[in-house]
Amino acid sequence: DQQVKQNSPSLSVQEGRISILNCDYTNSMFDYFLWYKKYPAEGPTFLISISSIKDKNEDGRFTVFLNKSAKHLSLHIVPSQPGDSAVYFCAASRVIQGAQKLVFGQGTRLTINP
Amino acid sequence: DAGVIQSPRHEVTEMGQEVTLRCKPISGHNSLFWYRQTMMRGLELLIYFNNNVPIDDSGMPEDRFSAKMPNASFSTLKIQPSEPRDSAVYFCASSWGVSYNEQFFGPGTRLTVL
Repeated sequence: DQQVKQNSPSLSVQEGRISILNCDYTNSMFDYFLWYKKYPAEGPTFLISISSIKDKNEDGRFTVFLNKSAKHLSLHIVPSQPGDSAVYFCAASRVIQGAQKLVFGQGTRLTINP
Repeated sequence: DAGVIQSPRHEVTEMGQEVTLRCKPISGHNSLFWYRQTMMRGLELLIYFNNNVPIDDSGMPEDRFSAKMPNASFSTLKIQPSEPRDSAVYFCASSWGVSYNEQFFGPGTRLTVL
């Protein structure tokens, strides 16, 4: 039962263009959504998040959009840079007994071509 | 700050052997999480602790898996006996406080069971 899905295993984008990564979820009880970035041989690092009561959050080149009715969120990177090449994980969160329980998608490998 | 420390970074063992993975969370963090990453399922939460107490172990795949947190600065994940399908990258993460605080991941342990 995959509650969080990233249907594109990989994405290739030209440097300077927009990268759009997508994520779908099934459980309406999630109340926070996050994106993590992962380089090879390293652990994931937090990138950006959004509360379920918002529909957009922006941080520099990164913007996350949330469509609750469609249970869909997306990450936009503008402009894309070679250093953005990594695996991106979408995660959905609920707080249970004082700790944030994250459910991750399978990840999307983003490659930025010079 | 050293970040989350995991050891060993790589482990190769034979089927049937006991495997112990170790984690030292960031000092001051009171929540600790064990994740497993595979190609098929992405990042899965196995178990998490809050103030050294296991809160949710519903992600632990079988009784062969066990985790302990004897104090605030150390946790172990043990697999006994190990099987080839346990081959994966195991991540430990920690966070502070309640609600929506960023989880910091360690570099992971790559486990190969022959």
